[in-house]
Amino acid sequence: GAGVSQSPSNKVTEKGKDVELRCDPISGHTALYWYRQSLGQGLEFLIYFQGNSAPDKSGLPSDRFSAERTGGSVSTLTIQRTQQEDSAVYLCASSLGPDRGVKLFFGSGTQLSVL
Amino acid sequence: AQSVTQLGSHVSVSEGALVLLRCNYSSSVPPYLFWYVQYPNQGLQLLLKYTSAATLVKGINGFEAEFKKSETSFHLTKPSAHMSDAAEYFCAVSGEAAGNKLTFGGGTRVLVKP
Repeated sequence: GAGVSQSPSNKVTEKGKDVELRCDPISGHTALYWYRQSLGQGLEFLIYFQGNSAPDKSGLPSDRFSAERTGGSVSTLTIQRTQQEDSAVYLCASSLGPDRGVKLFFGSGTQLSVL
Repeated sequence: AQSVTQLGSHVSVSEGALVLLRCNYSSSVPPYLFWYVQYPNQGLQLLLKYTSAATLVKGINGFEAEFKKSETSFHLTKPSAHMSDAAEYFCAVSGEAAGNKLTFGGGTRVLVKP
């Protein structure tokens, strides 16, 4: 596709359930990022993938959060045993490479609501 | 470590008036700075960026920003606001290492009054 695609666009789940959020980056983009956007917290970096290198997981808030990227393309962010404080918009972005200053292309996000 | 402060979480301007959004940063390395805009229910779009070239950077939709090292600022301006400029604006600074992890400011929501 022409842009970064995220699915689902909205997800409502019950506290304690696991959820999976998907990101399809722009074809050819080697770098992929996950951010979380929540009221009062702004935009927080979660995790970064670059090519076949080990991901930078330094922004993951707890061990309930994990992500993988298969074949250097599609990425899945998994939240286990969801909590109400996990409610937020989860944004995925991709870029041509890892260089400082490179433009990030963002998807429209997944709005996660934990009841 | 990097940080970004945006003064004013909400700004209201009249159509045709100057738009000024303030951004101050902290960085332990020469910074790369960005302004992104987010329209309702959309992802972020890059407006402009500073990457150590010209200090006055021109972006899309008539926006520009000036990098002032002495003031650690990167304020965003537009001479004449348009109704379509109503959105949320985020200032960001790039991380120290390769990977371009961005640290974002808290965002400024712009309301344009007719």
